Amino acid sequence: GNSVTQMEGPVTLSEEAFLTINCTYTATGYPSLFWYVQYPGEGLQLLLKATKADDKGSNKGFEATYRKETTSFHLEKGSVQVSDSAVYFCALTDTGTASKLTFGTGTRLQVTL
Amino acid sequence: EPEVTQTPSHQVTQMGQEVILRCVPISNHLYFYWYRQILGQKVEFLVSFYNNEISEKSEIFDDQFSVERPDGSNFTLKIRSTKLEDSAMYFCASRRDRSTGELFFGEGSRLTVL
Repeated sequence: GNSVTQMEGPVTLSEEAFLTINCTYTATGYPSLFWYVQYPGEGLQLLLKATKADDKGSNKGFEATYRKETTSFHLEKGSVQVSDSAVYFCALTDTGTASKLTFGTGTRLQVTL
Repeated sequence: EPEVTQTPSHQVTQMGQEVILRCVPISNHLYFYWYRQILGQKVEFLVSFYNNEISEKSEIFDDQFSVERPDGSNFTLKIRSTKLEDSAMYFCASRRDRSTGELFFGEGSRLTVL
């Protein structure tokens, strides 16, 4: 079945540091890939997505490129802010009827001044 | 901006009691989902719902769980006889159609079973 593997957290960075959160996946067919973010006390929000190989999703300074050859979708940001502190979830949809999301375990990011 | 709303935000119940969690999906969405997140663990798929029937359900979604869209706007998750291990954050989500990948999530309902 489908699965998503994320790097273990927590990740602690100083403000303005470079961020990478690794994500690899296993899927049949051609899934769409997503990063969701969960800020403290809130629900899940879509951060970015990519629907086919070599697509790059980007939003709020975050980027991730759909790499089919390495089955990866690593999240990057060049300069993190304290307000980026949250839990980040990598996810994919399969090609089933309802296209449910399969999530990774989440990676907590803590950014300090 | 349209959003998915969930009630209650937090419910505490005794083991064995029935619980109903309510969700109002975005009005023109056609696909509805329930997910749960046990504290510190991954977000897990429970069930998807389309055209007034269950499309898919996970192994977690056993006979103790049921979903319903009683009035064309609400989408409910019922747990008939709660267990301690049902304590989790339950997220409702909706999607407009199959071609758009994005699921829109509510803020979640935290269920605590004592």
